[in-house]
Amino acid sequence: QQQVKQSPQSLIVQKGGISIINCAYENTAFDYFPWYQQFPGKGPALLIAIRPDVSEKKEGRFTISFNKSAKQFSLHIMDSQPGDSATYFCAPNDMRFGAGTRLTVKP
Amino acid sequence: NAGVTQTPKFQVLKTGQSMTLQCAQDMNHEYMSWYRQDPGMGLRLIHYSVGAGITDQGEVPNGYNVSRSTTEDFPLRLLSAAPSQTSVYFCASRFILGQADTYGYTFGSGTRLTVV
Repeated sequence: QQQVKQSPQSLIVQKGGISIINCAYENTAFDYFPWYQQFPGKGPALLIAIRPDVSEKKEGRFTISFNKSAKQFSLHIMDSQPGDSATYFCAPNDMRFGAGTRLTVKP
Repeated sequence: NAGVTQTPKFQVLKTGQSMTLQCAQDMNHEYMSWYRQDPGMGLRLIHYSVGAGITDQGEVPNGYNVSRSTTEDFPLRLLSAAPSQTSVYFCASRFILGQADTYGYTFGSGTRLTVV
């Protein structure tokens, strides 16, 4: 059973642009929505997370927006930088990871 | 703090061999888990532990055993390696963030296992 669907699989953005990654889930019992960032050769690292009692959370250039009725949450990276190039995973309740989105930010 | 330490970083096994992937954390985290990462599959949970002496199965437990005799260590055992177990394995421990019921994971740097 696929409980988490992440899109797009890959994304190329110019420096300074906005990167948007989406995550759709099926399990309405999920109550914790984190995004993880993974650089090549490293383990994933928690980037930002949200609880369903709020619709948006911002930390620096990173924003999570949450749509409970649509069972979706998104990661927005403002002013994208080459150093943001990594693979991003959504992981509702940390039990099911999405397949990942490989982000490339071109200088 | 060293965080989560995994050994070895690389390993090649022959089909049918057994081995143990080591994982240790020095942060006194109760919750630890093992994942495998395959291209296009994200990370899949193999086993997890909520504390010393307690383990449970995750999404893909077949072919793997775990034990948790101490808070610090959570080894993963492959009993009879198969080519389908070729993957990158990550160990993680869970920490509580400032807000109640909010948490994150610290991952090790991974073990790249090839079974031939």
